[in-house]
Amino acid sequence: GENVEQHPSTLSVQEGDSAVIKCTYSDSASNYFPWYKQELGKRPQLIIDIRSNVGEKKDQRIAVTLNKTAKHFSLHITETQPEDSAVYFCAASLNQAGTALIFGKGTTLSVSS
Amino acid sequence: DTAVSQTPKYLVTQMGNDKSIKCEQNLGHDTMYWYKQDSKKFLKIMFSYNNKELIINETVPNRFSPKSPDKAHLNLHINSLELGDSAVYFCASSQSLGAGELFFGEGSRLTVL
Repeated sequence: GENVEQHPSTLSVQEGDSAVIKCTYSDSASNYFPWYKQELGKRPQLIIDIRSNVGEKKDQRIAVTLNKTAKHFSLHITETQPEDSAVYFCAASLNQAGTALIFGKGTTLSVSS
Repeated sequence: DTAVSQTPKYLVTQMGNDKSIKCEQNLGHDTMYWYKQDSKKFLKIMFSYNNKELIINETVPNRFSPKSPDKAHLNLHINSLELGDSAVYFCASSQSLGAGELFFGEGSRLTVL
């Protein structure tokens, strides 16, 4: 089955800096790669996703890149703000019947002002 | 107007007891899931139901029994609770099998003493 590795497990940045979180996946058939943000005590919520036919996607200060050949994808957050502090999860799936999202182990991002 | 709601939010119980968590979604989605988030924040798929039919049953002890009376509800019953069952259990739904965004409930924090 699919296995998703995520690095780093913790990341501390200064407000205004950029943050990058990287993930690798094992199943070359996976074709859907979302990123979820979980604030302390809250539910995970989708912040951005990318499908395998796209190499990069941006939404304001966040962007995701996908390298299918290397089987890795990354989340980039620019101009970080204290409210970006949270746990971020990458995930991968085949996006078809009988499959579910498989999550990485999460990255705790701390943005200090 | 909560999209995915779970009850109860907190459960504290003794080892050996049985407990249930209920989940309801009002999004009209066909697919519902249970994920377990352990103390290290790892989100692991447990079960998935599509239109009341069990689709995914990961290697979960058979003390855990999901039940879906209709496609808007997915309940989780746990027998003979063990210390290692302590975790946050998240219910989630998606539009259809393997289809895109997961909408999570608020989570149910189970503490087994």
